[in-house]
Amino acid sequence: DAKTTQPNSMESNEEEPVHLPCNHSTISGTDYIHWYRQLPSQGPEYVIHGLTSNVNNRMASLAIAEDRKSSTLILHRATLRDAAVYYCILKPTGNQFYFGTGTSLTVIP
Amino acid sequence: GAVVSQHPSRVICKSGTSVKIECRSLDFQATTMFWYRQFPKQSLMLMATSNEGSKATYEQGVEKDKFLINHASLTLSTLTVTSAHPEDSSFYICSANQGSNQPQHFGDGTRLSIL
Repeated sequence: DAKTTQPNSMESNEEEPVHLPCNHSTISGTDYIHWYRQLPSQGPEYVIHGLTSNVNNRMASLAIAEDRKSSTLILHRATLRDAAVYYCILKPTGNQFYFGTGTSLTVIP
Repeated sequence: GAVVSQHPSRVICKSGTSVKIECRSLDFQATTMFWYRQFPKQSLMLMATSNEGSKATYEQGVEKDKFLINHASLTLSTLTVTSAHPEDSSFYICSANQGSNQPQHFGDGTRLSIL
């Protein structure tokens, strides 16, 4: 399973944008890039996913590098409710998800 | 949106007890569901893939006789932790999706505590 590398932790001030990076240098051509987040004592929550093009939804934006070896999850205005562990996952054709260590995001009021 | 329901949310029981956890897809059919385990301050670890109408596929190092999985219908998978011991105490989470390139939908997890 392809590996992702994320910083262990990041901090952001409330109402400011947050850019969460993810490196995936061994990504293959059919791997989708998925982002999930997990609040304490809850199951992960889907945030966004993409293959090659940048993606936007109501929660976030996903910027994918042209060579697809890295991606960035962008939260446009961090709120206290965005404090969570964010996981970047590569998903090949098929269904299994293998989680990495994720980034713990702290939002400072 | 798609919802996955997990029950119970919390179990506390004595060592040696077998515990069953249910995972249901509420508004879609799932031929495949997944079971994860998460220890405190660690990431989720995939334990097994539950396949409707056939045997589950276990990840390396996961004891299939210890963690029994049954996927008898397109909306229900169960995980039974047999003869649970304190080291089995963990947060167990299930997931399912609506298609191979669709997002996974996760249950809210089951906190299992073995005394």
